[in-house]
Amino acid sequence: QKEVEQDPGPLSVPEGAIVSLNCTYSNSAFQYFMWYRQYSRKGPELLMYTYSSGNKEDGRFTAQVDKSSKYISLFIRDSQPSDSATYLCAFGSNDYKLSFGAGTTVTVRA
Amino acid sequence: DTAVSQTPKYLVTQMGNDKSIKCEQNLGHDTMYWYKQDSKKFLKIMFSYNNKELIINETVPNRFSPKSPDKAHLNLHINSLELGDSAVYFCASSDPGTGTYEQYFGPGTRLTVT
Repeated sequence: QKEVEQDPGPLSVPEGAIVSLNCTYSNSAFQYFMWYRQYSRKGPELLMYTYSSGNKEDGRFTAQVDKSSKYISLFIRDSQPSDSATYLCAFGSNDYKLSFGAGTTVTVRA
Repeated sequence: DTAVSQTPKYLVTQMGNDKSIKCEQNLGHDTMYWYKQDSKKFLKIMFSYNNKELIINETVPNRFSPKSPDKAHLNLHINSLELGDSAVYFCASSDPGTGTYEQYFGPGTRLTVT
């Protein structure tokens, strides 16, 4: 079983739709949960960061963590064409390393 | 102000050559990283330095040698380049000493070996 599983997509949605992205993980040592956004030919940009189960909201973005199910989600409300990118989940523990998902490519159609 | 910067942005070279990539961060972080992103977009850590000390050294060919002259800089030297080294290399930094485990990435160096 892979340490992190993320559906690579691609995911195509119309403008204004809710985008739902998910990752599962198997390593119980993971304590930090992140979502990165990566535009084509750019570096990953940190979107959301949390270390506890529950929801965290930032504007149109909501990160959800369920530690008991080892499952995290990212929701993008009122999606815009500028949200078209690859979204990477990332997990960390106290050993400085981050383990990344394979990334989900999202296209928001105008 | 660019937080994490890398040079060069693009690097095209022939097999067998030696090349270096440089990284600098102005975030005041004490930990820096090198990642490799392959054609399928998978990001894999290669090395990490904390205050100039190597703390992560993943299974990477010894043709790759990182060097950290100070905690704001981390360079990557690659000897005897091979076709399989073609990828995008990202530098990142974080400050886990302050409980900040999230990492901030540079723009990447796209390496093409011909």
